[in-house]
Amino acid sequence: QQKVQQSPESLIVPEGGMASLNCTSSDRNVDYFWWYRQHSGKSPKMLMSIFSNGEKEEGRFTVHLNKASLHTSLHIRDSQPSDSALYLCAASASNTNKVVFGTGTRLQVLP
Amino acid sequence: GALVYQYPRRTICKSGTSMRMECQAVGFQATSVAWYRQSPQKTFELIALSTVNSAIKYEQNFTQEKFPISHPNLSFSSMTVLNAYLEDRGLYLCGARQGYAEQFFGPGTRLTVL
Repeated sequence: QQKVQQSPESLIVPEGGMASLNCTSSDRNVDYFWWYRQHSGKSPKMLMSIFSNGEKEEGRFTVHLNKASLHTSLHIRDSQPSDSALYLCAASASNTNKVVFGTGTRLQVLP
Repeated sequence: GALVYQYPRRTICKSGTSMRMECQAVGFQATSVAWYRQSPQKTFELIALSTVNSAIKYEQNFTQEKFPISHPNLSFSSMTVLNAYLEDRGLYLCGARQGYAEQFFGPGTRLTVL
């Protein structure tokens, strides 16, 4: 059964700092990754997606993907208190419609 | 834009009773609908994936007998929690996709079991 592992489970960074979150899939067929953010009491909203090896940047958010190791990471620079949320990594293989989520990293940005 | 609605947003049921929740996709064709449960104990669990013109696939520990799902068209899906008990409480999320595009989530149905 496909598993998506995220680390760390929780992370505290000071305002203005860099937050780095990791995600690895155990399924060698996975080739789509998404990062979702879920604020308390809300449903998950997609932050960024990545399908190709390398790096993708959108504002303060940067995503890396290494397809050989099935590892993706999300980096948030200049972290803000409003970034405090549960960050979920999701993975899908092109031969299936199933999107599997990791257990999440809970980020807290302290003012 | 693409939106997903879920009804009801919150529901309370007595232990041993059943409740039905609905999911509606607007602005795109939901060729697949996934139902998840998010609970404090087990975070994010995939219950089942329904793809149009394919059989509904349930994950380990979830069965059709307990969580029957209907996906009659490209905009609507429903799931029933039969014979609900305390361990069934949580936030039930519907995620809908068109093909292999981004999965959009509804706001969830929060189930409380008394």
